[in-house]
Amino acid sequence: GAVVSQHPSWVICKSGTSVKIECRSLDFQATTMFWYRQFPKQSLMLMATSNEGSKATYEQGVEKDKFLINHASLTLSTLTVTSAHPEDSSFYICSARVVEQFFGPGTRLTVL
Amino acid sequence: KNEVEQSPQNLTAQEGEFITINCSYSVGISALHWLQQHPGGGIVSLFMLSSGKKKHGRLIATINIQEKHSSLHITASHPRDSAVYICAVQGDFTDKLIFGTGTRLQVFP
Repeated sequence: GAVVSQHPSWVICKSGTSVKIECRSLDFQATTMFWYRQFPKQSLMLMATSNEGSKATYEQGVEKDKFLINHASLTLSTLTVTSAHPEDSSFYICSARVVEQFFGPGTRLTVL
Repeated sequence: KNEVEQSPQNLTAQEGEFITINCSYSVGISALHWLQQHPGGGIVSLFMLSSGKKKHGRLIATINIQEKHSSLHITASHPRDSAVYICAVQGDFTDKLIFGTGTRLQVFP
């Protein structure tokens, strides 16, 4: 099956700093990528839908100025958590769609 | 009431047992996905179904569109099958997935 990678797999940062997470489709081109977050023992929550070359569509309640999404190419989308706070600590997962959705391995963010 | 309900929430089994996880949904869908999430967090897409039945190795997924119900079966379960299994539906005319809360499976040797 198609492979989606995320980098980094985990990151620890200080409160107030910004963190960038990359999502790449390795062997296919994805016009649409999705960003999710997951709190412990909870289901995935869609944050935003990212289409190549256009602005991301954010779900209700997700601050677009805090979670900046850039989908500059058909194989790369980035999520930047700006001015991170401890409550942003979570597991962030991306997926890329060609016909099916293929999920990345996730990035665990811990904000101290 | 959630749009996607899974049962059971937690499941323990002895190695070799036949396992069934159920998913019911209340919205119109274009496809249903079964996903597997291991303790490390990574998610693997097991099946995408829009009708009928699919089989991959020891895993079988079925869907009944009229009854808005799907099942995931694991035959001859093994400890490495221990994971959270998530049902997700893709609504009509949308790419977005609606997720169930997951079923935590533990298979003991």
